[in-house]
Amino acid sequence: GEDVEQSLFLSVREGDSSVINCTYTDSSSTYLYWYKQEPGAGLQLLTYIFSNMDMKQDQRLTVLLNKKDKHLSLRIADTQTGDSAIYFCAESIHSAGNMLTFGGGTRLMVKP
Amino acid sequence: NAGVTQTPKFQVLKTGQSMTLQCAQDMNHEYMSWYRQDPGMGLRLIHYSVGAGITDQGEVPNGYNVSRSTTEDFPLRLLSAAPSQTSVYFCASSYDRGTDTQYFGPGTRLTVL
Repeated sequence: GEDVEQSLFLSVREGDSSVINCTYTDSSSTYLYWYKQEPGAGLQLLTYIFSNMDMKQDQRLTVLLNKKDKHLSLRIADTQTGDSAIYFCAESIHSAGNMLTFGGGTRLMVKP
Repeated sequence: NAGVTQTPKFQVLKTGQSMTLQCAQDMNHEYMSWYRQDPGMGLRLIHYSVGAGITDQGEVPNGYNVSRSTTEDFPLRLLSAAPSQTSVYFCASSYDRGTDTQYFGPGTRLTVL
């Protein structure tokens, strides 16, 4: 079965780096995603990584994928107060109609 | 483009009532889906559609019906609301089933008393 897990909460100071971690169980994942949800809003796709990649960098965001350990992380450099939100990791399996399985979300709080 | 729109934003129902949550997209996306979000559980897939006239069940389909008569619209029906269906509902769409970005609507917050 599919199961995606994240820690519930992370607090950092403005300017520091944030690292949000995620573990998944389905080894047939095709893509892994990071979504951001601000209060009262829908989900916004931040970035995604194909399962045969180890790393992807996009401006302040770095995604690391350890496929052997089924571990995904999102690093946000120079974290700002506007980064405060809930971050969801999700996996999709192409053979299953690209259905997304989400983790429970990590609430990131950035202190000034 | 308006993107993915959902109505209503908020709704309160009594147990046993029925209602339809509306979802529309103007991006000519083939793939649409409905999720529910409950605290600490992330989003769970209710139903999805890979094109007009085609729908399939997701992880938690019981108590919900969908139809896809047009590419643009994908309504979600609650036939007899139950308190367990109190949740925030998100509709999403993407161009196809592959790597394409799924765009999410703003959500409908539903309370069933």
